[in-house]
Amino acid sequence: AQSVTQPDIHITVSEGASLELRCNYSYGATPYLFWYVQSPGQGLQLLLKYFSGDTLVQGIKGFEAEFKRSQSSFNLRKPSVHWSDAAEYFCAVGFNDYKLSFGAGTTVTVRA
Amino acid sequence: KAGVTQTPRYLIKTRGQQVTLSCSPISGHRSVSWYQQTPGQGLQFLFEYFSETQRNKGNFPGRFSGRQFSNSRSEMNVSTLELGDSALYLCASSLATGRNEKLFFGSGTQLSVL
Repeated sequence: AQSVTQPDIHITVSEGASLELRCNYSYGATPYLFWYVQSPGQGLQLLLKYFSGDTLVQGIKGFEAEFKRSQSSFNLRKPSVHWSDAAEYFCAVGFNDYKLSFGAGTTVTVRA
Repeated sequence: KAGVTQTPRYLIKTRGQQVTLSCSPISGHRSVSWYQQTPGQGLQFLFEYFSETQRNKGNFPGRFSGRQFSNSRSEMNVSTLELGDSALYLCASSLATGRNEKLFFGSGTQLSVL
């Protein structure tokens, strides 16, 4: 079955530490891949996207993600987390620019 | 450039009523899509409109409908509200010129059904 999986429901990380959020997908073909962030009571903000080409994608706010076809993964990373990075992060996949399937989300808590 | 604007921000309705939500896309964007976000089901695609035509629809009952106007503004309607319709409804817009598009989301309308 087609699916997007974010294995970690909640991650706690210390400010200044590195962060990695996992995303795996199961589709017959390679979809477009996205990471979005949502702050409480807000909409979704696009961090980065992968359509083709270089498998290491740079996004906003210092985030990057690496596409690994062999593992069907698109993990999000940030070398040094700031308190303002506390939010919920969603991995999404799609085959066009409007119908996306989202993972369940990972809540990131940043401790001082 | 103004972002995607959704009104109202909050809405409280009772079971059996109907509700209309509004979305104004970013200027120049021709595609508007709608998503429902709930704690239990997460983010789910409702439907998408392009040039006043519905191009795609998610797995929601017919009580959920929408439309798009010539200025690309979109409305979503839910009739005969049920408790389970309580959710954050997000609207998103894009240029829809082809591949490599970005989807921009509004802040959503929080609907509570009592």
